[in-house]
Amino acid sequence: GNSVTQMEGPVTLSEEAFLTINCTYTATGYPSLFWYVQYPGEGLQLLLKATKADDKGSNKGFEATYRKETTSFHLEKGSVQVSDSAVYFCALSPNTNAGKSTFGDGTTLTVKP
Amino acid sequence: DTGVSQDPRHKITKRGQNVTFRCDPISEHNRLYWYRQTLGQGPEFLTYFQNEAQLEKSRLLSDRFSAERPKGSFSTLEIQRTEQGDSAMYLCASSFTRDQETQYFGPGTRLLVL
Repeated sequence: GNSVTQMEGPVTLSEEAFLTINCTYTATGYPSLFWYVQYPGEGLQLLLKATKADDKGSNKGFEATYRKETTSFHLEKGSVQVSDSAVYFCALSPNTNAGKSTFGDGTTLTVKP
Repeated sequence: DTGVSQDPRHKITKRGQNVTFRCDPISEHNRLYWYRQTLGQGPEFLTYFQNEAQLEKSRLLSDRFSAERPKGSFSTLEIQRTEQGDSAMYLCASSFTRDQETQYFGPGTRLLVL
């Protein structure tokens, strides 16, 4: 079956530091890949997505590139802010009519001023 | 567009009681999903609807769980005879036909079973 593995957290960085959160996946076929962010007490918000190999998703300074050869979708940001503190989830959705998404366990990011 | 809404946001109940949650998807989104999220974990798929048809149910969805979407708009998730292990955040999401892989999530209903 499909699975998503994220680097274990928590991750603590100083403001303006470089961020990488690793994500690898196992799936049949060619899934779409997503990063979601969850702030305390809230639901998940879509951060960015990529639908095919070598696509780069980007939003709010975050980027991730769909790497089929390494089955990875690592999240990066060049300069984090305190407001980026949240839990980040990597997910995949099959490009079929199956519907459901598979999520990683999340990585908690804390950015200190 | 007001986004996906869920009601209630919090529910505390005693073991053995029944609870029902409601989800209102983004208008014109024909797919609606239910997930369960426990502390420190990612969301786990429970079930999803396309319009009013329930197309898939996870093995996580025991006989005590039932979901409906009678008119293809809002959905309800009912848990009968709640158990302490049912305590979790229940998330609803919706998606549109032309971009069905991209799901938009509601704020969730946090259930605590005492």
